[in-house]
Order: sequence, then structure tokens, then C-alpha cells
Amino acid sequence: SAVISQKPSRDICQRGTSLTIQCQVDSQVTMMFWYRQQPGQSLTLIATANQGSEATYESGFVIDKFPISRPNLTFSTLTVSNMSPEDSSIYLCSVDLARSTDTQYFGPGTRLTVL
Amino acid sequence: QKEVEQNSGPLSVPEGAIASLNCTYSDRGSQSFFWYRQYSGKSPELIMSIYSNGDKEDGRFTAQLNKASQYVSLLIRDSQPSDSATYLCAVNPNNDMRFGAGTRLTVKP
Repeated sequence: SAVISQKPSRDICQRGTSLTIQCQVDSQVTMMFWYRQQPGQSLTLIATANQGSEATYESGFVIDKFPISRPNLTFSTLTVSNMSPEDSSIYLCSVDLARSTDTQYFGPGTRLTVL
Repeated sequence: QKEVEQNSGPLSVPEGAIASLNCTYSDRGSQSFFWYRQYSGKSPELIMSIYSNGDKEDGRFTAQLNKASQYVSLLIRDSQPSDSATYLCAVNPNNDMRFGAGTRLTVKP
């Protein structure tokens, strides 16, 4: 496995503002992913963060709302822009340590509350 | 039809019993299957992965896969109160993991 950290662990934000979530891995990984888990729900993939190219977004998620950066093989950020209370959720990054196994390991998550 | 379906539960079993968690999936081309455990307020933790038809055992956990029936299950033997959590089934058909809604398991002492 790998050690995956996320910052912040939680935040309370005002409507209309933006929050950037950081994900750091202790080893180089090819694939990094961002998920959202709304209260009582399962995980929904937002996007795949590709190193050296634009992120690949899932249906229903757009770059203007959730811009993603992937400057190197150990780090990624997800920004939640122009937040509304509907964005209140847990945001999780995950990594695939070796493409051949396609197994994902999750960071501890960021709990976001939008007032 | 949802891509990955699980009974939401809650499933309640007494301590020491076998807990059986079930999952069906819709993409017949799926090759990779996973079970994650998620404690309340925590992130998902990988328990098992399975790629071939049949059973795979790891300690008290056994994953079972039947690709013809598009069915994967997780058995937990000698269930402990510490096993109380939500169990997520995940299927990875094209390097894009899809999760079920999860089954909440409670093991009563």
C-alpha cells in the first residue's frame, strides 16, 4: 500500500467561495482519482487526475466546477469552486499503485460543509 | 439498472456467526472485483480483491466470484463486533472503479 494524506481534513466554508483540497502520496503513482461521498451514500468518481495532461471528468462533473491539478506523480489538488450547500460532502483521493493490479487505495478524506 | 448493486442492509449477525454480503454487477466484461470496508467517519479500506471465478480466502474473509452469474460475495467467518462497518463492493471494468451503495453490517456481542 502507500501513505496517502489529504489537507485539509475538514473545513466549513461559505456559499460562493472555493476550497482547494490537496492529496499527497509517499511514492510515485501513475493514476490518482478524486471521489465524492455524500452523507449516507456510496462513492462517486469525479475525475481521474492525469500527470502531464488534463483531468478526465465523469458525466455530471465539469472542469469549471472541479478544476484539478496534477503537477507530478505524488501530488494532486481538487478545487471545489463557487460552492453551494449541495457540495457538502466528503472528498476522497485515491491512488492506483500499479496499473497492472488496478487496485485503489484511499486517502483519509476531506469533510466539507458549505453554509 | 445500477452498475453495482448491493443490499443496503442493515445486516445484523451475532458474534461468532458467518456474515454473508452479496453484490451483483451489470458489465459482463468486468475483470476486477474488490471489497472495501468503511468504518463510520473513515475512508474505505481494501479488504479483498478477486479476479478469477471461485473462492479466495484471506484469514476470516472469503471472496467468491461467479462471472457467469455476475455475482460476487464476501463471507466473514467468526464475525467480531469490530467487523461492524459498511462494506462496499467495487467493480473495475475499464480502469474506472464503480462502487455499490454498500451494506451496513452490525455484529452483536
